[in-house]
Amino acid sequence: GAGVSQTPSNKVTEKGKYVELRCDPISGHTALYWYRQSLGQGPEFLIYFQGTGAADDSGLPNDRFFAVRPEGSVSTLKIQRTERGDSAVYLCASSSGTGVGEQFFGPGTRLTVL
Amino acid sequence: ILNVEQSPQSLHVQEGDSTNFTCSFPSSNFYALHWYRWETAKSPEALFVMTLNGDEKKKGRISATLNTKEGYSYLYIKGSQPEDSATYLCAFRTSGSARQLTFGSGTQLTVLP
Repeated sequence: GAGVSQTPSNKVTEKGKYVELRCDPISGHTALYWYRQSLGQGPEFLIYFQGTGAADDSGLPNDRFFAVRPEGSVSTLKIQRTERGDSAVYLCASSSGTGVGEQFFGPGTRLTVL
Repeated sequence: ILNVEQSPQSLHVQEGDSTNFTCSFPSSNFYALHWYRWETAKSPEALFVMTLNGDEKKKGRISATLNTKEGYSYLYIKGSQPEDSATYLCAFRTSGSARQLTFGSGTQLTVLP
């Protein structure tokens, strides 16, 4: 079946611009996660949705970052006034929300802020 | 702040060699330990989810062990092949309401033909 998809695969923007990154989870998965991987580091948690609501947004670095999941399926990560330090691979994962909660990842969006 | 560490950071082996990597994690409040394999430009692929102390999991030539009391897991690859070249990530999930994974920085494996 279809896995997690993310668009765009690559995004180049200029400092100060607004960007939106999209995640399509596996159909039926109620839990959705955003992570960010900076160069040389492992993925770091940003935010977790259970259904439509953000159950945990403790990983968002500041108020320039915001994410939504209005219908409990597709999610959009929004970054305002981008900075060069926001350059990273943004990963999305989904989970059925039951059992050990195995997370299935998309291929990521590579964001470059010039 | 949870600390998950992996070693070595990178590894080059010859085709046919067997190899292993280490993941260390907090020994308290353990819920699960995940191993992922991540090739460039692809999605991280789930290899194992381990929950019980003493767990051993196997998938083809790859196997993993878990020691929750001392806080470490080993990943073994037997008879490495060039297609095994990837970054191997471990991720820790704590018990309680938090569902997110805390990742190590990964071991980058290169298998030379």
